[in-house]
Amino acid sequence: ILNVEQSPQSLHVQEGDSTNFTCSFPSSNFYALHWYRWETAKSPEALFVMTLNGDEKKKGQISATLNTKEGYSYLYIKGSQPEDSATYLCAFPSENTDKLIFGTGTRLQVFP
Amino acid sequence: ETGVTQTPRHLVMGMTNKKSLKCEQHLGHNAMYWYKQSAKKPLELMFVYNFKEQTENNSVPSRFSPECPNSSHLFLHLHTLQPEDSALYLCASSQEKGSVFNQPQHFGDGTRLSIL
Repeated sequence: ILNVEQSPQSLHVQEGDSTNFTCSFPSSNFYALHWYRWETAKSPEALFVMTLNGDEKKKGQISATLNTKEGYSYLYIKGSQPEDSATYLCAFPSENTDKLIFGTGTRLQVFP
Repeated sequence: ETGVTQTPRHLVMGMTNKKSLKCEQHLGHNAMYWYKQSAKKPLELMFVYNFKEQTENNSVPSRFSPECPNSSHLFLHLHTLQPEDSALYLCASSQEKGSVFNQPQHFGDGTRLSIL
């Protein structure tokens, strides 16, 4: 059974702080790693789909790195703003299916 | 962006009722998905449709019956549900089967379902 783990479960930071969190996934048979941002009462929004070891992607102040050999991805937010408050989900495709296995997410709250 | 629209946003129903959830996507995608999120659990895939054909059923009880009349519409028919079925039900779409390996999924806002 594939398992995707995210840490920490929740995070509280002050506006302007930079923060990062981790997604761990099985390192064998890697296909892709998805990151989504999910604000309360809204739909999950795709941030990145990462496919290559060593990949680094950036969207505004949010960036992500990927290490497929050791099975982890980091998501970084530089200079967090209150509007960055959301749950950040990562997901990993199950082999040879259309099934995305999601982690439980990291809930980020940024205080003004 | 309202590429994927779900109705209703909230639904309260008794265990003997029959109701349906609707999902519509305007992105020209060919694959559509139903997910369930129960409290404090990760998003869990229920069904996948690709070009109107069901390609995944993640051991979902038969009281949940999906229907995909065309690539733009997806329904989830509900009948004789249990209190533990209370959850957020999310619809998603992607270009086609296999696109999970290099393309993101696009989600709706979900239907919050409460079973009395």
